[in-house]
Amino acid sequence: KNEVEQSPQNLTAQEGEFITINCSYSVGISALHWLQQHPGGGIVSLFMLSSGKKKHGRLIATINIQEKHSSLHITASHPRDSAVYICAVNRGTDKLIFGTGTRLQVFP
Amino acid sequence: SQTIHQWPATLVQPVGSPLSLECTVEGTSNPNLYWYRQAAGRGLQLLFYSVGIGQISSEVPQNLSASRPQDRQFILSSKKLLLSDSGFYLCAWMRQGSTEAFFGQGTRLTVV
Repeated sequence: KNEVEQSPQNLTAQEGEFITINCSYSVGISALHWLQQHPGGGIVSLFMLSSGKKKHGRLIATINIQEKHSSLHITASHPRDSAVYICAVNRGTDKLIFGTGTRLQVFP
Repeated sequence: SQTIHQWPATLVQPVGSPLSLECTVEGTSNPNLYWYRQAAGRGLQLLFYSVGIGQISSEVPQNLSASRPQDRQFILSSKKLLLSDSGFYLCAWMRQGSTEAFFGQGTRLTVV
């Protein structure tokens, strides 16, 4: 079993829909990252959080440390949001453990 | 500001040929440096990490090696590529003692 699990693996949505991607982890962590990987492969860091909630534009990330769970929400989704979204956690301050990603496709 | 450069972005190499992927970091000193690989349909897996010049730790046995000849330079190499080396390779760095991570643009390697 992977230490970081994401769901769903694949997600399709119509433009404008509210989207939620989930991440569960089984290890103690110091921080959790949400990353975006576009078809070309480049990875962009969206959020790093260790508690509570962060918001940036239409993106919201939440984390529940007790339940070892985080969610990434996208409001008013747009085709340009189509990408792979990856959850990763820090064990201590040196290594990242990655989830397998959620492939999101938003259709106009 | 800190930046990370990784090249090339894409690479097609024949089986048995050598490999050299380079990653450099700017705007910081003594970073922790990492090489990850993403095989098709799988998550990013840590291959190597380095906490200083000449210090390399390997996470999984494989056909690859890494070197850190300078503080902000991290190189991934192979003497003879295998088909199974195909994948997406990502360089990353973290400030020592910090949880914040920065990522290169990645290299998509296809071994034919």
